[in-house]
Amino acid sequence: NAGVMQNPRHLVRRRGQEARLRCSPMKGHSHVYWYRQLPEEGLKFMVYLQKENIIDESGMPKERFSAEFPKEGPSILRIQQVVRGDSAAYFCASSPLVRGGEKLFFGSGTQLSVL
Amino acid sequence: SQQGEEDPQALSIQEGENATMNCSYKTSINNLQWYRQNSGRGLVHLILIRSNEREKHSGRLRVTLDTSKKSSSLLITASRAADTASYFCATEGGSYIPTFGRGTSLIVHP
Repeated sequence: NAGVMQNPRHLVRRRGQEARLRCSPMKGHSHVYWYRQLPEEGLKFMVYLQKENIIDESGMPKERFSAEFPKEGPSILRIQQVVRGDSAAYFCASSPLVRGGEKLFFGSGTQLSVL
Repeated sequence: SQQGEEDPQALSIQEGENATMNCSYKTSINNLQWYRQNSGRGLVHLILIRSNEREKHSGRLRVTLDTSKKSSSLLITASRAADTASYFCATEGGSYIPTFGRGTSLIVHP
């Protein structure tokens, strides 16, 4: 049973380009969380999705950022018109259901570098 | 803002010693989890403690929770070089969204 798969592992973009980060949750998991991590800092929550629904996007910037988790296929975190400040490690985590206290399974992350 | 804050930020010990990390938080929680992150990797779940529990054990790990002080501690006994990693606490309230602290960076010297 493969774990949470994130790709690409490393992504380099120039300012103004678009970044698309993909996350395939573990088999049987229908809940996906995206977090952002800056150097020497913890993970900051961005968005929580279930299949075809955004449940909580309170941690996501209102502009340029969007996320989806379609019925088929991976969850996508999309950053339009990237700026240098978007450079960070983006982690996706999944869980089978949400009833409190469910542990999250993390992917290895995508390191985004904006030149 | 981050809910949990770990202390110390960095900890350096010798193999065989015990390592203690603390986590303080501000608002009431339903449960608290500890995760570990090796450099350049995702987080791995270590242990969960619910708000009505005071202590949990798992192998060489011991976690305590004091809801009156809004704090938790993670003890790693008889540490090994392979325990070198960053350790994060994650608190969860009513939203079912784990909120992470900044982490404690642990270095265990062989």
